[in-house]
Amino acid sequence: GAVVSQHPSRVICKSGTSVKIECRSLDFQATTMFWYRQFPKQSLMLMATSNEGSKATYEQGVEKDKFLINHASLTLSTLTVTSAHPEDSSFYICSATPSRPDTQYFGPGTRLTVL
Amino acid sequence: RKEVEQDPGPFNVPEGATVAFNCTYSNSASQSFFWYRQDCRKEPKLLMSVYSSGNEDGRFTAQLNRASQYISLLIRDSKLSDSATYLCVVSAYSGAGSYQLTFGKGTKLSVIP
Repeated sequence: GAVVSQHPSRVICKSGTSVKIECRSLDFQATTMFWYRQFPKQSLMLMATSNEGSKATYEQGVEKDKFLINHASLTLSTLTVTSAHPEDSSFYICSATPSRPDTQYFGPGTRLTVL
Repeated sequence: RKEVEQDPGPFNVPEGATVAFNCTYSNSASQSFFWYRQDCRKEPKLLMSVYSSGNEDGRFTAQLNRASQYISLLIRDSKLSDSATYLCVVSAYSGAGSYQLTFGKGTKLSVIP
């Protein structure tokens, strides 16, 4: 149980394009999903908390107009990186909470490379 | 002071060795504590929760000292498959029924044949 999928697993795009990443909880409903970013040799950094049916809460320093989050259902949240630049290249990971709210299960991550 | 601090390692140990990792956290309001394992270029996976009474899962033993804000993980009889980065993670209530996880940078373990 508690499986989270992410798509795509890897994406390479040109600077200035937008990239959409999907996060799905496959066998449970997730009221809350989280989006993280991890740069090489760094810890996971929370970008935003996404609650189904409401606006996401962004962490300080994360541009909400650049990283668009939509959580339209209890099993799907999307992150769109708009007008991507090379500095946005990173490992983006989502997570979702099943019944125990202080435990998160992670998706396999999306490796974004912006050329 | 970093919120969750770990020795980055690497710890290079022979198969069968016992290895211990330590972690300190700064937020005294933290409520739950975990060790996650992250393999290279993969997502973190929950290894075990950590309780004040200490808990054991096979070769893995975790301990929490709330007074010292200190968490430990002991791995006995190391296997090659234990090679990974071990993340110390603390959880604190962030409001509206939600909890936020704060991650350490991780301690890298390499088990050598």
